[in-house]
Amino acid sequence: GENVEQHPSTLSVQEGDSAVIKCTYSDSASNYFPWYKQELGKRPQLIIDIRSNVGEKKDQRIAVTLNKTAKHFSLHITETQPEDSAVYFCAATPPYGQNFVFGPGTRLSVLP
Amino acid sequence: EAGVTQSPTHLIKTRGQQATLRCSPISGHTSVYWYQQALGLGLQFLLWYDEGEERNRGNFPPRFSGRQFPNYSSELNVNALELEDSALYLCASSRGRGENSPLHFGNGTRLTVT
Repeated sequence: GENVEQHPSTLSVQEGDSAVIKCTYSDSASNYFPWYKQELGKRPQLIIDIRSNVGEKKDQRIAVTLNKTAKHFSLHITETQPEDSAVYFCAATPPYGQNFVFGPGTRLSVLP
Repeated sequence: EAGVTQSPTHLIKTRGQQATLRCSPISGHTSVYWYQQALGLGLQFLLWYDEGEERNRGNFPPRFSGRQFPNYSSELNVNALELEDSALYLCASSRGRGENSPLHFGNGTRLTVT
């Protein structure tokens, strides 16, 4: 089955700097990669996703890149703000919607 | 559109009792997933239901079970509760198999076992 690793487990950046979180997956058949943000005491919410036929996707300050050959994908947050502080989870899922496999999460702290 | 709804919000039980958690998916979604999130930790996959059938289950003992009803709502049952079952239980829904659509999470049920 699919296995997803995520690094780093914790990340502290100064406000305005960039943050990068990396995930690797094991199942080459996986073709859908969402990222979720979970603020303290709240539910995880989708912030961006990418499908395997695309190498990069951007949405304002957030971008995701995918390298299918190396089986890794990354979340990039530019111009970080205090409200970006949260736990971020990556996930991978193979075709036909088998269970989503989540990475262990990255706790991002943006320091003012 | 209404989001995923879970009930109850909080549930307090004593060890050995049974707990029942409920989830209503977004309208039009046929897949329901259950995850356990212990305090400060990650999302541990419990169960996945689609079109009324259990499609996959995570590495949890059989006392964790559930079902999906014809209206696609779902129920998670935890029998013989243990202290370590205390956690936030998150339900999520998606459009279903073959869709590769994102999961939408509910606000969770906080289960406390004393």
